[in-house]
Amino acid sequence: AQKVTQAQTEISVVEKEDVTLDCVYETRDTTYYLFWYKQPPSGELVFLIRRNSFDEQNEISGRYSWNFQKSTSSFNFTITASQVVDSAVYFCALISGTYKYIFGTGTRLKVLA
Amino acid sequence: SAVISQKPSRDICQRGTSLTIQCQVDSQVTMMFWYRQQPGQSLTLIATANQGSEATYESGFVIDKFPISRPNLTFSTLTVSNMSPEDSSIYLCSVDTPGLANTEAFFGQGTRLTVV
Repeated sequence: AQKVTQAQTEISVVEKEDVTLDCVYETRDTTYYLFWYKQPPSGELVFLIRRNSFDEQNEISGRYSWNFQKSTSSFNFTITASQVVDSAVYFCALISGTYKYIFGTGTRLKVLA
Repeated sequence: SAVISQKPSRDICQRGTSLTIQCQVDSQVTMMFWYRQQPGQSLTLIATANQGSEATYESGFVIDKFPISRPNLTFSTLTVSNMSPEDSSIYLCSVDTPGLANTEAFFGQGTRLTVV
């Protein structure tokens, strides 16, 4: 079975704090892709990153960084020095075996000024 | 990358009526999908829109309620039929590049539907 778990329903932080959003996935396939999307209040889905199962290198993009660990089936997302504009719902997703996305339930991040 | 235009962006509809949502892509794509996001929930795949054949529906979704058209490789429509307040959701169109190795989904801006 394929599954994505985002155990954190909602997180509140004060601006400039660092915050990590957790994502744990399940799949039996050896080839798969993991994603993070941001959904601001306007509703559109903004693509943040894609990772394939053969690339465990961590990635940093500005204030964003991602930690992919196959040993724990986790793909966590860290925002450094959070800003109010980071407030959104963040979804972790998995593609495994087909083109269909399996989305986690999302984590609502509130960054307070 | 693909640019997706989804119309309408939002609508308020009376129960019992139907709404057709359009999804236009600026390039030919193999795979087009329709998702539903109920309030406060995650995204759930409704169906895969197949060009030239009937859509493939996920468990819990049926053609009579969500008829889908895919007349060509750049366009698809989703109709929400005989609407009830439970259909109030964001509906998103998604496209994907061919070949799993190049997988990167692109989403339309969504249609926020409220049924009253």
